[in-house]
Amino acid sequence: KAGVTQTPRYLIKTRGQQVTLSCSPISGHRSVSWYQQTPGQGLQFLFEYFSETQRNKGNFPGRFSGRQFSNSRSEMNVSTLELGDSALYLCASTTGRVDETQYFGPGTRLLVL
Amino acid sequence: DQQVKQNSPSLSVQEGRISILNCDYTNSMFDYFLWYKKYPAEGPTFLISISSIKDKNEDGRFTVFLNKSAKHLSLHIVPSQPGDSAVYFCAADRSGGGADGLTFGKGTHLIIQP
Repeated sequence: KAGVTQTPRYLIKTRGQQVTLSCSPISGHRSVSWYQQTPGQGLQFLFEYFSETQRNKGNFPGRFSGRQFSNSRSEMNVSTLELGDSALYLCASTTGRVDETQYFGPGTRLLVL
Repeated sequence: DQQVKQNSPSLSVQEGRISILNCDYTNSMFDYFLWYKKYPAEGPTFLISISSIKDKNEDGRFTVFLNKSAKHLSLHIVPSQPGDSAVYFCAADRSGGGADGLTFGKGTHLIIQP
């Protein structure tokens, strides 16, 4: 079974631009969660989508948004990029059942200049 | 306020010996704990988990111990192998899926010396 895939793997943007990242979950998984990893803050939860609906949300500003499609693929969008948005963005998938292990993709490394 | 803490940023262990990675948490609502391993340029890989109804869970060379009263868990790797060199993250969750997703520690970089 193929794992979680994320595209692109690397991205360079400038301040003020917007960016869209994509995540394809493991086949059969309907829940996708997004995390931001930075050296200072570690791994922080952004949001979770299940069956095309945002089910949970972390403590990030409204510039961070996401959506999920009927095939469970998810996209994350960051508008008006700031230097501090430079990070590794990880997505993880599960079938959506409670207390199920999350399986992570390789991440998208975003650099904002 | 960090709810999950890994106080050792790095740990060096000789090959063949036991590696012990520690994790403390402050939120008493957490009742499900996981360990992930991460290599550079890759996403975290799930290693082992433990529910708060248990105090020990074992999977091959990996054992996780949970001390609820101390709000402390540890991951034991024995024997340690060179391929175990990676960053290890402790993560915690609440029953029913917490609204905050998984809460991670900042990681411990384990280095296995030959």
